[in-house]
Amino acid sequence: EAGVVQSPRYKIIEKKQPVAFWCNPISGHNTLYWYRQNLGQGPELLIRYENEEAVDDSQLPKDRFSAERLKGVDSTLKIQPAELGDSAVYLCASSFEDEQFFGPGTRLTVL
Amino acid sequence: AQSVSQHNHHVILSEAASLELGCNYSYGGTVNLFWYVQYPGQHLQLLLKYFSGDPLVKGIKGFEAEFIKSKFSFNLRKPSVQWSDTAEYFCAVNPDSNYQLIWGAGTKLIIKP
Repeated sequence: EAGVVQSPRYKIIEKKQPVAFWCNPISGHNTLYWYRQNLGQGPELLIRYENEEAVDDSQLPKDRFSAERLKGVDSTLKIQPAELGDSAVYLCASSFEDEQFFGPGTRLTVL
Repeated sequence: AQSVSQHNHHVILSEAASLELGCNYSYGGTVNLFWYVQYPGQHLQLLLKYFSGDPLVKGIKGFEAEFIKSKFSFNLRKPSVQWSDTAEYFCAVNPDSNYQLIWGAGTKLIIKP
């Protein structure tokens, strides 16, 4: 069974530039999560989808972050414009019932 | 606010030593508890989980964890570590089974060969 797929794995951009991350969850998993993980910390939830509906986006900085999950499968997380403090690993996870399965993450460096 | 505390940020052990990583959470209601592991260069993967029943939970690769409700703890243990256990270990709590995971800061474990 294929796991959660994320791309790109690494991204280096200059501040004020836009950036987008893509996630393909495990087939059949209706719930999809985007997390941000800063160095030396655990993941922090940004947004959770049930199918195509964002059911928890309370931690998403909506002035510069946006996300979508068209057709309830793949999802894209966008930052525009990026700031220095956005440097982190962005993790996508999907779940069936209570267990979350994680992708490899995208390591974003903002210069 | 709900939080998860992992007592040690870095642990260094020799092979064959016993391991115990601490995890405490602050929430008085029903919780589901998880330990995830991240090996170098790999993604987070589930090590073990507790939902209900026997508070001593056995996971993969010889790991186990014990849920002590009165202490709000879910410590991870392994009687004899191996070099391949070098990784970062995260404790996570799911309050009231509401899909939200609250994570500890992680413990980096280094096993000296």
